[in-house]
Amino acid sequence: QKEVEQDPGPLSVPEGAIVSLNCTYSNSAFQYFMWYRQYSRKGPELLMYTYSSGNKEDGRFTAQVDKSSKYISLFIRDSQPSDSATYLCAMSGNEKLTFGTGTRLTIIP
Amino acid sequence: AAGVIQSPRHLIKEKRETATLKCYPIPRHDTVYWYQQGPGQDPQFLISFYEKMQSDKGSIPDRFSAQQFSDYHSELNMSSLELGDSALYFCASSFRVAGPPILETQYFGPGTRLLVL
Repeated sequence: QKEVEQDPGPLSVPEGAIVSLNCTYSNSAFQYFMWYRQYSRKGPELLMYTYSSGNKEDGRFTAQVDKSSKYISLFIRDSQPSDSATYLCAMSGNEKLTFGTGTRLTIIP
Repeated sequence: AAGVIQSPRHLIKEKRETATLKCYPIPRHDTVYWYQQGPGQDPQFLISFYEKMQSDKGSIPDRFSAQQFSDYHSELNMSSLELGDSALYFCASSFRVAGPPILETQYFGPGTRLLVL
């Protein structure tokens, strides 16, 4: 069993919809939680990071962490076609990142 | 703002050849990470360096070695290449802040796409 599980999708939603992306993890040592966005043939781009349970908002993006359930989410409001990409959750205990498999998201105009 | 630079961006090699990938971190970043991403897979951690010393080691084959130089750039050396080494190789850099909470945000380069024929 992988330490980080993420639904690979693909996920297609109409423009303007709210998108919910989720990951679960099994390693209690993970303290830091990140979401990366990766466009095709590009490097992962850091979107959000947090280290505490609760919600963190940045524009149209909200990251949610529930350490008791070992569950993290990324919500995208008012989704745009430019949000179409693969979204990777990533976690770490101190240094190296452990990634989820990524969810391929397509926003349909 | 300056980003992580990786070279070359594309590399084609044959089996049993060697390859050297280079990574130039964001200025003032002192930590470098190497990741390997196979087709349709998530990035897998290979190795990291902090202040020119190996910091952590992941699933890096013995055929691979890496180092960080005095100017903080890093090189990943790959020998006896195999078909399965074909992948995207990412370098990420961060600035290590001491003291709790220790949260390093890693910034990724564009990657080197290696194809082994």
